[in-house]
Amino acid sequence: GAVVSQHPSRVICKSGTSVKIECRSLDFQATTMFWYRQFPKQSLMLMATSNEGSKATYEQGVEKDKFLINHASLTLSTLTVTSAHPEDSSFYICSASIPGTGDYGYTFGSGTRLTVV
Amino acid sequence: AQRVTQPEKLLSVFKGAPVELKCNYSYSGSPELFWYVQYSRQRLQLLLRHISRESIKGFTADLNKGETSFHLKKPFAQEEDSAMYYCALSGQGGADKLIFGTGTRLQVFP
Repeated sequence: GAVVSQHPSRVICKSGTSVKIECRSLDFQATTMFWYRQFPKQSLMLMATSNEGSKATYEQGVEKDKFLINHASLTLSTLTVTSAHPEDSSFYICSASIPGTGDYGYTFGSGTRLTVV
Repeated sequence: AQRVTQPEKLLSVFKGAPVELKCNYSYSGSPELFWYVQYSRQRLQLLLRHISRESIKGFTADLNKGETSFHLKKPFAQEEDSAMYYCALSGQGGADKLIFGTGTRLQVFP
């Protein structure tokens, strides 16, 4: 089935540094990918929608300059948390829509736990 | 405004008991509704979606447009059903963003 691989699964970084999270579609072309953030014991909050070859669409309240999204190919989208602060510590999950006529399921990555110290 | 509401954070039942996880939605149009499940230490995975009208692992969900609900039901809960369940919606046409509810943790005791 359609699989999305997300790396790293866990990362710890110092405050002020940048962290890049990768999301790859392994066996299909993902023209659209989504980035979510999940706080402890809370739901997934959509951060942005990325379309291959174009700028990402950010949800209200999400800082574009802080959370840089690049979707340069049909199999890779990246989320870079720039100048990370402790409040950016969270669980980040990517998702891709599964292509196919009449099939609009979604597949999810296994998530990245970011801890900023 | 697009919104998915799951009123229960936690639902605890004994094995063999019926289960109903509630989901209500708000959407201007005709959304697609989904239930996702997240087992401990595993990624989020699709359980079922209303357009396919199928039963997965004994779970069913009927879209009630009048009540704007999409409750998830299972007549006899099993211990392995213990997980986090998320109701979600998206616009029609595919590749639209998913809006998630806050989730309900189902605990099935032996």
